[in-house]
Amino acid sequence: AQSVAQPEDQVNVAEGNPLTVKCTYSVSGNPYLFWYVQYPNRGLQFLLKYITGDNLVKGSYGFEAEFNKSQTSFHLKKPSALVSDSALYFCAVRVRAGNNRKLIWGLGTSLAVNP
Amino acid sequence: EPEVTQTPSHQVTQMGQEVILRCVPISNHLYFYWYRQILGQKVEFLVSFYNNEISEKSEIFDDQFSVERPDGSNFTLKIRSTKLEDSAMYFCASSETLGPVAKNIQYFGAGTRLSVL
Repeated sequence: AQSVAQPEDQVNVAEGNPLTVKCTYSVSGNPYLFWYVQYPNRGLQFLLKYITGDNLVKGSYGFEAEFNKSQTSFHLKKPSALVSDSALYFCAVRVRAGNNRKLIWGLGTSLAVNP
Repeated sequence: EPEVTQTPSHQVTQMGQEVILRCVPISNHLYFYWYRQILGQKVEFLVSFYNNEISEKSEIFDDQFSVERPDGSNFTLKIRSTKLEDSAMYFCASSETLGPVAKNIQYFGAGTRLSVL
């Protein structure tokens, strides 16, 4: 079955420190992977995606993610966390849905960046 | 920057009543989606829509649900007879195309929180 796992419900990090939010996936074929962020009372905002090519992809707000095929992982990273990065982060994989596509989601990880 | 808008932000209804959740996708987008998130659970795919018809629906999307694109801008989700377990955050999304990968991104609205009492 196709699935996405985010093993940590919450990640706490001090401002200025590097952060990592973990994601692993299970999908047949080549994965199309996404990270979205949700701020309070806001929708799901696209951060970055991996389709093909370089395993390190860069996205919005200084975030990047590393695709690792052997470990079936797509961890989100940022070299230096900001308090304003505190939000809910979702990993998703896109799969075929008829003649369309749909996203299968992880449970989300709450990131708290402490000043 | 163009965005997906959803109204209302919060809908309270009595069990058994019909509700219509409204979405205005990004104007040049052709593919539309509804997802929902029950509190504390994963975001779940409900339905995708293209060319005025449903492309795929999940097992959640039973006969009490329907979608419609009544005009050139709105995309609605109707729940015919709401149940307590329909209480959730409902997200609308749209994407421009399935073609070039740069445009294969689903953009989401802020969601409608549905509370069924």
